[in-house]
Parts: sequence; C-alpha cells; structure tokens
Amino acid sequence: AQRVTQPEKLLSVFKGAPVELKCNYSYSGSPELFWYVQYSRQRLQLLLRHISRESIKGFTADLNKGETSFHLKKPFAQEEDSAMYYCALSVRRGSTLGRLYFGRGTQLTVWP
Amino acid sequence: NAGVTQTPKFQVLKTGQSMTLQCAQDMNHEYMSWYRQDPGMGLRLIHYSVGAGITDQGEVPNGYNVSRSTTEDFPLRLLSAAPSQTSVYFCASSPAAPTGNTGANVLTFGAGSRLTVL
Repeated sequence: AQRVTQPEKLLSVFKGAPVELKCNYSYSGSPELFWYVQYSRQRLQLLLRHISRESIKGFTADLNKGETSFHLKKPFAQEEDSAMYYCALSVRRGSTLGRLYFGRGTQLTVWP
Repeated sequence: NAGVTQTPKFQVLKTGQSMTLQCAQDMNHEYMSWYRQDPGMGLRLIHYSVGAGITDQGEVPNGYNVSRSTTEDFPLRLLSAAPSQTSVYFCASSPAAPTGNTGANVLTFGAGSRLTVL
C-alpha cells in the first residue's frame, strides 16, 4: 500500500506565481514528514522537515493531520526552483528508525 | 569529508551476471539504506540497516542482498541480474539515533549508480 501520494507528476508555473506541490500520506502512527529535492545534476538533498517548522528557500510545508497532508508551498516561484521534489514519510519500527518511504515525485518547472 | 560514496557510477550487465554496488560513508552514521529510482515510480526502498550486523528489507527487496559488517560500508549485491533491475540506485545514510534526535532521520544521499541489465 502506498504510504505517500504525490498526485502530480509534472507541475509548471511561471516565475513569480505561487506554487503548491501536494503530498498526502497514510500512516496510523505519529508521522515524521520531509521534502527532498533533486536539482538537475545534483544529489538528492533535504529541503525541509515538518518537525523543524522552518522555511527554506522560501518554501514552507505544514503538516495537516486531519487531512493527512504535507503540501509544499512557495508564494513566488523562481526559475531556480525547477527540480524534482519528493515527499517522504518516516515509519518507525519500535523505538528505532525503520523505513523512509518516498512518493513518486513531482517535477516542477518554473518558466521565465 | 566525502559524505556518501557510491561505486561504480555506471555499469552494464548481461542477464544472469552478478555484481556488487558499493556504498561507503565517513560520517559515522548508524542508518544506511539503498533505494532504486525509476521513472514514474519515485524512490523505492530496497534494504536498510540500522547498524552494523543489522539489516532489514524494504519495499522491493527481491533479487538483492545486503550485509553490514562495518558501520561505514553497506554493499548491495545482485546475484543474478535481470532487465527489471535496470535502474538508478541510491545509497543514503543518516545518524538515526534511536531516541528522538531531531537530525536523526535526515538522509545524506550518494551520487547514484546507473545500472543497465541487457
């Protein structure tokens, strides 16, 4: 059963427009959620995580337990935001870190 | 500080051949994992390890073996390669302290290994 759903494979916006990348998860325990990003010809890297409630590169994401969502938002997209974005859910086994499940990813393109 | 190092970067195999993808990290991370990345499928967890001598299966473990004899290394073995194993493979590690370290779950990824099985 897929634990992380990213409904959009592709998302295109113009520079300066708001952008929202959707992520929904399925997990009965207390979730730990992340957004990872892969820029062209770079390694996958952490963008942000819900536990720190931070804004990175203008992006924010709020965990909504009622809607089981962790959507990534930015009010004004920039061309350098073009990348593949992955939502990820950490599932613990007992008291230790177990598995990190990734969604299928959303390729964001920001047009000039 | 090299981070996570994967070798080889590229490999072509024939069906039935075996090979090992190497992964090494120099950050003293307890947790290490292997993912495969396929178009439209995202990243899928193959195997992971929470420490030396401890491994467990992920979502797609069939056809792959792992071992963790040291903290630093986590090789992924394909015993009899199949075309369905053509993919880009990523190794990733994290501190993974078991008692709630807020940085414990943040993965550091390798550059990836592109494998083609003919």
